[in-house]
Amino acid sequence: DAKTTQPPSMDCAEGRAANLPCNHSTISGNEYVYWYRQIHSQGPQYIIHGLKNNETNEMASLIITEDRKSSTLILPHATLRDTAVYYCIVRVHTNGANNLFFGTGTRLTVIP
Amino acid sequence: KAGVTQTPRYLIKTRGQQVTLSCSPISGHRSVSWYQQTPGQGLQFLFEYFSETQRNKGNFPGRFSGRQFSNSRSEMNVSTLELGDSALYLCASSLSRTGRETQYFGPGTRLLVL
Repeated sequence: DAKTTQPPSMDCAEGRAANLPCNHSTISGNEYVYWYRQIHSQGPQYIIHGLKNNETNEMASLIITEDRKSSTLILPHATLRDTAVYYCIVRVHTNGANNLFFGTGTRLTVIP
Repeated sequence: KAGVTQTPRYLIKTRGQQVTLSCSPISGHRSVSWYQQTPGQGLQFLFEYFSETQRNKGNFPGRFSGRQFSNSRSEMNVSTLELGDSALYLCASSLSRTGRETQYFGPGTRLLVL
């Protein structure tokens, strides 16, 4: 079962930062937070993941609260191509734990 | 490096038929997982293959099966198709199954059962 809660939808103006929240209040100490996105009818695309430190890559930044019960994915300058469903997933890094549990995600619409 | 490829991309079948979908993982990736995505149930894990052996299985009936070849390519088969099997079937690959590798998804095969 998915262990995350996300708002069902959000809008963001093109060029502005998109901040997508995720609640994972029951996260365990050895569970990582992963973000994927799915553009309409395509396969999910990996974005970023982290354990407790903030992470940044060429696509986005991930901010995890100190108590690790929530996180925020930040797309610094949203474009129309960022319109997608964003999934926040918690996943333990142990041998054999390769199946991902997707929740319902947040549908982000970037508005021109 | 080429991504995960899935064939065919689209498929139409009728109830009672069977179907085979194919997935070629990223070169060097040895773990292949399959997922089903429907509007009602969302993305659900079907099964995972590694070294030609099924390692994990989701909560799906025995009509859903799969296999993996020595080159890590994988196929999944659905027998006696039902209308509810209409879905996007996604394949994901990762280097191994230590749990630390990122999974990368293919574009999916959209199956319509009439």
